[in-house]
Amino acid sequence: AQRVTQPEKLLSVFKGAPVELKCNYSYSGSPELFWYVQYSRQRLQLLLRHISRESIKGFTADLNKGETSFHLKKPFAQEEDSAMYYCALVSGNTGKLIFGQGTTLQVKP
Amino acid sequence: NAGVMQNPRHLVRRRGQEARLRCSPMKGHSHVYWYRQLPEEGLKFMVYLQKENIIDESGMPKERFSAEFPKEGPSILRIQQVVRGDSAAYFCASSPPRAANTEAFFGQGTRLTVV
Repeated sequence: AQRVTQPEKLLSVFKGAPVELKCNYSYSGSPELFWYVQYSRQRLQLLLRHISRESIKGFTADLNKGETSFHLKKPFAQEEDSAMYYCALVSGNTGKLIFGQGTTLQVKP
Repeated sequence: NAGVMQNPRHLVRRRGQEARLRCSPMKGHSHVYWYRQLPEEGLKFMVYLQKENIIDESGMPKERFSAEFPKEGPSILRIQQVVRGDSAAYFCASSPPRAANTEAFFGQGTRLTVV
């Protein structure tokens, strides 16, 4: 079955601390994975995708096929990073997304 | 480009009424996806449409729910005879014709409350 799991509902860190938001997936074949972010009162927007291997706003995510993980990391959290983060994978060739349950990141001053 | 527009942002319906949710995709986008987010859960895929065609409705409940994306006008998600369990946030996303690394752009969602 195709599934995305984000085990943490809430992650609370202090400003300047490292952040790792966990994401594990189940997918047969080569997955296409994304991280989406939703800031307060804003729409869901793409943060980064594994295939581009880029760093956005200091966040990176590496696909680990052995561990079927795509954890999101940032070495030094900022207060403006506080938001809801969703890990997602593309299912099949239609472009539909399978989302994890989401993790709320709270960065305290 | 105003982005994906959904309306209304908030919708309150009594049990048994009909709910109609609208989604105008971004200019140039011919693919529309609807997702539902129940309280305390992640977004769940419902249906994928292209102009005048339903491509994948594997996530749609079998009864009371329907979707369309006519040649002209917005995509409509229609829920007939709503029940309390339909209360959720409904998100629409649009994308250009599918290609490698195509990003889906999301609307701000419609929050449906059934009373």
